[in-house]
Amino acid sequence: GENVEQHPSTLSVQEGDSAVIKCTYSDSASNYFPWYKQELGKGPQLIIDIRSNVGEKKDQRIAVTLNKTAKHFSLHITETQPEDSAVYFCAASIPGFQKLVFGTGTRLLVSP
Amino acid sequence: KAGVTQTPRYLIKTRGQQVTLSCSPISGHRSVSWYQQTPGQGLQFLFEYFSETQRNKGNFPGRFSGRQFSNSRSEMNVSTLELGDSALYLCASSLGRGHGEQYFGPGTRLTVT
Repeated sequence: GENVEQHPSTLSVQEGDSAVIKCTYSDSASNYFPWYKQELGKGPQLIIDIRSNVGEKKDQRIAVTLNKTAKHFSLHITETQPEDSAVYFCAASIPGFQKLVFGTGTRLLVSP
Repeated sequence: KAGVTQTPRYLIKTRGQQVTLSCSPISGHRSVSWYQQTPGQGLQFLFEYFSETQRNKGNFPGRFSGRQFSNSRSEMNVSTLELGDSALYLCASSLGRGHGEQYFGPGTRLTVT
């Protein structure tokens, strides 16, 4: 079955720096790759997603890139702010299935 | 538009008991999926319901079950609770099958003692 690996497990940056989180998936049939942000005591919040027919997608300070050949996708956050501090999860799913397979999460800490 | 709601938010049960958790999806959403989140195993898929039918099931024992009602609301049940069932149970809703975007509720924190 699908397996998603996520790195790093923790990431500390200074406010204003950029942060990059990387994921690798195993099932080449996967075609949908969302990213979630989870704050303490809350459920995961969908922040951006990308489909396999697109190489890059951007939404203000966040962007996601996808390399289908290498089965890699990454989350890029620019101009980080303290409120970006949270746990970020990548996920993948295959066509026709609502099942999301999640990475193990990255704890991002943005220091003022 | 209201988000996904889950009740109760917190629950404490004893080993051997059973528990029922409830999820109301976003208005107009017809697919509901359930996930278990633990520090050790992370986020794991339990099952998905669409049009009152279970469409997919994760690798969990038969003690975990669910159902969906005609108004798309869903419940999940865990029987004969074990200590290892302590977790955050998350419900996610989406428009329907083939629509990837899933929106999560705040979860139900279940503690089994």
